[in-house]
Amino acid sequence: AQSVTQLDSHVSVSEGTPVLLRCNYSSSYSPSLFWYVQHPNKGLQLLLKYTSAATLVKGINGFEAEFKKSETSFHLTKPSAHMSDAAEYFCVVSPYNFNKFYFGSGTKLNVKP
Amino acid sequence: KAGVTQTPRYLIKTRGQQVTLSCSPISGHRSVSWYQQTPGQGLQFLFEYFSETQRNKGNFPGRFSGRQFSNSRSEMNVSTLELGDSALYLCASSQGGRASSYEQYFGPGTRLTVT
Repeated sequence: AQSVTQLDSHVSVSEGTPVLLRCNYSSSYSPSLFWYVQHPNKGLQLLLKYTSAATLVKGINGFEAEFKKSETSFHLTKPSAHMSDAAEYFCVVSPYNFNKFYFGSGTKLNVKP
Repeated sequence: KAGVTQTPRYLIKTRGQQVTLSCSPISGHRSVSWYQQTPGQGLQFLFEYFSETQRNKGNFPGRFSGRQFSNSRSEMNVSTLELGDSALYLCASSQGGRASSYEQYFGPGTRLTVT
């Protein structure tokens, strides 16, 4: 069975401090993993993806994520938050060869000045 | 390349009516998926079309249907609208082969309000 758990529904950080958004997954097959960001009233934008190459994946806007198979985690990080990072973030798992995508429930990131 | 486009961007309908939403994928993409997003239920998968065939389906009633044309453009239809159908409907396109490394690209969505 496939599932995604985003451990925090809301995260609040101050501008300039690190961001950590946590994601755990369950997949019966070798998965591809993605992080998407959604700004208010907009569609989802791909931040980064993991597809069994390097375990540390760099994305756009300074975000990166590390795939840890032993912990079944794919946490999203950024060293220094910017006000424009305030948005909702979705972790997505897609089991290999199935072209199905399973979305987490989302984490809303608030960035305080 | 142009991104995924969805029309219309906003719709207001009354209960009992039907509605058709349109999605044009990125050029060369053959898979189109539809999602419903609401504050209470989050993102829910409706269905996926690949080469004019429905390949995957979520858990929605038969009032929700879709189709894909030979140019990969897709439409979804909701008949007999209910208040609970008010949502942001998102379309996503991907290359669509069986390799799951094909990420999805999302359109801006159609905001449907049912009164």
